[in-house]
Amino acid sequence: DAKTTQPNSMESNEEEPVHLPCNHSTISGTDYIHWYRQLPSQGPEYVIHGLTSNVNNRMASLAIAEDRKSSTLILHRATLRDAAVYYCILRDVGQGAQKLVFGQGTRLTINP
Amino acid sequence: GAGVSQTPSNKVTEKGKYVELRCDPISGHTALYWYRQSLGQGPEFLIYFQGTGAADDSGLPNDRFFAVRPEGSVSTLKIQRTERGDSAVYLCASSFSAYEQYFGPGTRLTVT
Repeated sequence: DAKTTQPNSMESNEEEPVHLPCNHSTISGTDYIHWYRQLPSQGPEYVIHGLTSNVNNRMASLAIAEDRKSSTLILHRATLRDAAVYYCILRDVGQGAQKLVFGQGTRLTINP
Repeated sequence: GAGVSQTPSNKVTEKGKYVELRCDPISGHTALYWYRQSLGQGPEFLIYFQGTGAADDSGLPNDRFFAVRPEGSVSTLKIQRTERGDSAVYLCASSFSAYEQYFGPGTRLTVT
């Protein structure tokens, strides 16, 4: 699986939007971009995934650059509950690559 | 519905002892994964089951680690002759698709 690069930490304020960046310059054409988050003392939680087009769900939006070498996870209105470590992961599901390869992730702090 | 459950939530054992960690996946999920997470690190893949068989065990660190899923549902991770370096949170996840994995709360293993 191709490697991703994320900032170690970010900080934002409650009720403001948060943009979490991820660089993946060596992404292949069949790699899907996945985001998971891990709240304190819990297992990781699926957030969103995409291939080429921007994606929206109830939790977040995923903006994918046209060349697919970077992406941004957008939390539209952060709450204290969104404080977590966010992981950006590439996965070539087409080749049956089932495992998730986690990096260090971005630790997001939300200020009240 | 019920999520992935793991028992015990905490396990303290002495160096050299044998331990078993149990995972109950979400009903109907054919894929099951084991990861382990050391303090301050992202989860690290151990093994993946599709049904009853281990489809990918490339992450098992050595032959002291073994996992089974005899009926394609519950899985047990077995660690023989535990070492202090085995101390970590062991996470289990299950999925029905190639995209989302649902994680349990983990078992915190401490080897003294």
